[in-house]
Amino acid sequence: AQSVTQLDSQVPVFEEAPVELRCNYSSSVSVYLFWYVQYPNQGLQLLLKYLSGSTLVKGINGFEAEFNKSQTSFHLRKPSVHISDTAEYFCAVSEGTGGFKTIFGAGTRLFVKA
Amino acid sequence: GAVVSQHPSRVICKSGTSVKIECRSLDFQATTMFWYRQFPKKSLMLMATSNEGSKATYEQGVEKDKFLINHASLTLSTLTVTSAHPEDSSFYICSARDLVGQNYYEQYFGPGTRLTVT
Repeated sequence: AQSVTQLDSQVPVFEEAPVELRCNYSSSVSVYLFWYVQYPNQGLQLLLKYLSGSTLVKGINGFEAEFNKSQTSFHLRKPSVHISDTAEYFCAVSEGTGGFKTIFGAGTRLFVKA
Repeated sequence: GAVVSQHPSRVICKSGTSVKIECRSLDFQATTMFWYRQFPKKSLMLMATSNEGSKATYEQGVEKDKFLINHASLTLSTLTVTSAHPEDSSFYICSARDLVGQNYYEQYFGPGTRLTVT
């Protein structure tokens, strides 16, 4: 069965500083990987996804992530954060076969300070 | 882009009553829909997977008699919380996929429904 581990529950960072949110997964089959952002009392918004091909994927709002198969990681990065990036970020894994269930990590709260 | 709506966005009900939440795919056919539950400051927990026209598949630990899921058409799935209790209060989120379409890997999320049981 697949699982997702987000290594940091909270990440405080100053505005305009770079940030990395870590995600590791486990699965016995090929997977699709996603990062979602959730603002308070709202649903999920897709930031970016990895399906195949280039291991560096770029998403919305200046975020990017790199798929590392050997380390089973999919870390999210942004070179310079803004106050408006304060939100909950979820890493998710979906197996490429079967029921295509998506399993979410526990989430990382990004808190950007002025 | 593909849009998924949920109704209602917020609902307050009394303990012992039942509440129905609707999830609709507005501009695509959702062969599969998923229901998630999210506790405050927690991640999304998959409750069940429903395929159009067949019974839902529930995750371990989810009471199928309490959380009734119906996926009667390719654009509508409903979650009914029966005999609701305060511990059922939560944020419920649905998502939809078109597993036979070109973008079969995409999962589109609804905005969520906040259920409060008093």
